[in-house]
Amino acid sequence: AQTVTQSQPEMSVQEAETVTLSCTYDTSESDYYLFWYKQPPSRQMILVIRQEAYKQQNATENRFSVNFQKAAKSFSLKISDSQLGDAAMYFCAYGQGGSEKLVFGKGTKLTVNP
Amino acid sequence: DGGITQSPKYLFRKEGQNVTLSCEQNLNHDAMYWYRQDPGQGLRLIYYSQIVNDFQKGDIAEGYSVSREKKESFPLTVTSAQKNPTAFYLCASSIVHGLTYEQYFGPGTRLTVT
Repeated sequence: AQTVTQSQPEMSVQEAETVTLSCTYDTSESDYYLFWYKQPPSRQMILVIRQEAYKQQNATENRFSVNFQKAAKSFSLKISDSQLGDAAMYFCAYGQGGSEKLVFGKGTKLTVNP
Repeated sequence: DGGITQSPKYLFRKEGQNVTLSCEQNLNHDAMYWYRQDPGQGLRLIYYSQIVNDFQKGDIAEGYSVSREKKESFPLTVTSAQKNPTAFYLCASSIVHGLTYEQYFGPGTRLTVT
């Protein structure tokens, strides 16, 4: 079974600085996709970014970018110019290609200090 | 506005009572999901449905039941057989990009059973 590991239960960053959240996954499949979700204190899950395994180029969405290392099975999220509103739980999720199901990591709590 | 609604936001029940959580979407998504979230845990899949009148068990289906009579609606019943029902429940639906199922979430329902 696929597993997703987020090794950092908590992280902190100064406002305007850059922070990287780690995620590793275990799979024997070659066709899959990965997500980062943000869960602020409101507890609404918000999709941050998506990466398909077949794409070599790392996905970016404004201040959010990923470092996708397929051979190492690593999928880290970089947040640039951190803002107070970035404070949240961040979850990494894995989905097998063609499957509706996602496997979630246990999350990383990000604190942004003013 | 398109989106996913869950009601109520907070729900309180006495032990031994069944309770039904509502989930409605107007995104015209085919697949819908129910997750449970506990402190320090990621999201765990309870049930999911790909089409009307069909659904599959997730990883922790025991003590729960669902129905999918309409595309827009996917209610979850927490039965008295669920040993530890107090949790945060999230409903989601997904849109497909090629082989990638991109899930979008509702605001969640916090269930407390005493």
